[in-house]
Amino acid sequence: KAGVTQTPRYLIKTRGQQVTLSCSPISGHRSVSWYQQTPGQGLQFLFEYFSETQRNKGNFPGRFSGRQFSNSRSEMNVSTLELGDSALYLCASSLGGVADTQYFGPGTRLTVL
Amino acid sequence: ELKVEQNPLFLSMQEGKNYTIYCNYSTTSDRLYWYRQDPGKSLESLFVLLSNGAVKQEGRLMASLDTKARLSTLHITAAVHDLSATYFCAVDIPGNTPLVFGKGTRLSVIA
Repeated sequence: KAGVTQTPRYLIKTRGQQVTLSCSPISGHRSVSWYQQTPGQGLQFLFEYFSETQRNKGNFPGRFSGRQFSNSRSEMNVSTLELGDSALYLCASSLGGVADTQYFGPGTRLTVL
Repeated sequence: ELKVEQNPLFLSMQEGKNYTIYCNYSTTSDRLYWYRQDPGKSLESLFVLLSNGAVKQEGRLMASLDTKARLSTLHITAAVHDLSATYFCAVDIPGNTPLVFGKGTRLSVIA
């Protein structure tokens, strides 16, 4: 079974631009969660989508948004990029049930200049 | 608010030695996860602990959960260089809440 895939793997943007990241979950998984990883703040939860609906949301500004499609693929968008948005963005998929293991993708490394 | 604390944050240990990483959390939960992350790579699931007293072992790693103490431990036996990585614990609470991660323990095994 193919794992979680994320595209692109690396991205360089400048302040003020916007960016869209994509995540394809493991086949059969209906939940996709997004995390931001930085050296200072560690791993922080952004949001989770399940069956095209946002089920949970972390404490991030409205510039961070996401969506999920009917095939469970998910996209995350960050508008008006700031230097502090430079991070590794990880998505994780799971079946979506209670205590189901989340399987992480390789991540997208975003650098904002 | 659920808080998860790991210690130590950095650990340098000699090959062949034993050591334990601790993970404390602030809110009642019986669901705890351990992940491994190699430099520049993603997170790999190691263990899922779903009840008080749960113990799981894989190779030189053994994880346990004490929900009454709100504590999980990851014990490393006879460390080898290949275990060098950052180890994260994560907790969620019933109700489909998101995972909350500890800061991670960066383990370096030296000869």
